[in-house]
Amino acid sequence: QSVLTQPPSVSGAPGQRVTISCTGSSSNIGAGYDVHWYQQLPGTAPKLLIYGNSNRPSGVPDRFSGSKSGTSASLAITGLQAEDEADYYCQSYDSSLSGNWVFGGGTKLTVL
Amino acid sequence: EVQLVESGGGLVQPGGSLRLSCAASGFTFSSYWMSWVRQAPGKGLEWVANIKQDGSEKYYVDSVKGRFTISRDNAKNSLYLQMNSLRAEDTAVYYCARRIQLRFLEWFLDYWGQGTLVTVSS
Repeated sequence: QSVLTQPPSVSGAPGQRVTISCTGSSSNIGAGYDVHWYQQLPGTAPKLLIYGNSNRPSGVPDRFSGSKSGTSASLAITGLQAEDEADYYCQSYDSSLSGNWVFGGGTKLTVL
Repeated sequence: EVQLVESGGGLVQPGGSLRLSCAASGFTFSSYWMSWVRQAPGKGLEWVANIKQDGSEKYYVDSVKGRFTISRDNAKNSLYLQMNSLRAEDTAVYYCARRIQLRFLEWFLDYWGQGTLVTVSS
């Protein structure tokens, strides 16, 4: 059970917009710590998607965007494409844990 | 091009040991913190350990403290994870990753290797 909670699954049709939430608490996201997002395509290693809440690394399409508010963060994907079908993970720092660096449980995105 | 290539995974009995390696190329290895992250079959990601550029600071998740040791050899551009007293729950794909520090205590992983599978079973 991660301290960062993500919905197990979300889905959307091609061209639609979907959002994936990452809900934390006052010891992580709510304390102002940044959230980062990773995409893991089936059978591959994770890839950095968003860092520092809303920044895209070079090469990541602007269809992907991140935001943070209060104790939660969100990843939005617009113009959904079949190749976006993957697992998505948020990551942040938590001051209440001895092993402080945590990932969310992951969200499986299905493109209908 | 940044490349991270893990090796050393395999099948090991409970209580056994294994040493994972990660060969880095395409960047100045000695300038970066490095990390190990694992993923149990069908499960999510779990951070395992971090090591500072010169090896002087190391951090571990509680579940591996005292059993795993992260190390590096900057002359060989290599990262290692020595795993002792292995348990069934250590079964996972182990990824090495390059860590980018945003500010104190906050970092993200910008490049990942392809992973190496460790299976702990009798």
